[in-house]
Amino acid sequence: DVVMTQSPLSLPVTLGQPASISCRSSQSLVYSDGDTFLNWYHQRPGQSPRRLIYKVSNRDSGVPDRFSGSGSGTDFTLKISRVEAEDVGVYYCMQGTHWPPTFGGGTKVEIK
Amino acid sequence: EVQLVESGGGLVQPGGSRKLSCAASGFTFSGSALHWFRQPAGKGLEWVALIRSKGNTYATAYAATVKGRFTISRDDLKNTTFLQMDSLTTEDTAIYYCTYTGVLGDYWGQGTLVTVSS
Repeated sequence: DVVMTQSPLSLPVTLGQPASISCRSSQSLVYSDGDTFLNWYHQRPGQSPRRLIYKVSNRDSGVPDRFSGSGSGTDFTLKISRVEAEDVGVYYCMQGTHWPPTFGGGTKVEIK
Repeated sequence: EVQLVESGGGLVQPGGSRKLSCAASGFTFSGSALHWFRQPAGKGLEWVALIRSKGNTYATAYAATVKGRFTISRDDLKNTTFLQMDSLTTEDTAIYYCTYTGVLGDYWGQGTLVTVSS
């Protein structure tokens, strides 16, 4: 299975400041058709995960534009341009290129 | 509005069985693939199983950790997917989510908690 490694494990941030989460895969996530199936999810305490980004950089409907995804091959990044209080929780990357789908271990974002 | 509502969770003894249900609405259920994921308390997410649509011969797939013990199925007349879980161990204790991903987006239910304990 493809191993997804996120860093950092914990990310204390100041409101209004940027934040960045890294996700690395054990093998390239480029599919045979050229697409890269790398998603980002956000999970608030006590809630179900919510997908924010799909195929590396596409924001889901209703996701604020302060969230952006980038990367290629095996290295990917989720950025929050200005952290708001509602952004706390755990962020997960997930790859869907190789079977089975696998997740990173999560990054916990909290407000300083 | 897309909705997924899981049910059937509860306390099960090791070695026992449990059947989860997920009632769906708001999208073309019969033409859609459905997944189950799980999350142990305080831990990360794990994909569990997939069932494709009739047009894809109802093909199924399972995580190695549950293959041979779990069975995913669906009833397109009732817009419901099921997860039959047998030979449960304490390692199966988790919140179980059903999900749908399609042109409308990516949707998760609220989850149902399965606790395997004596």
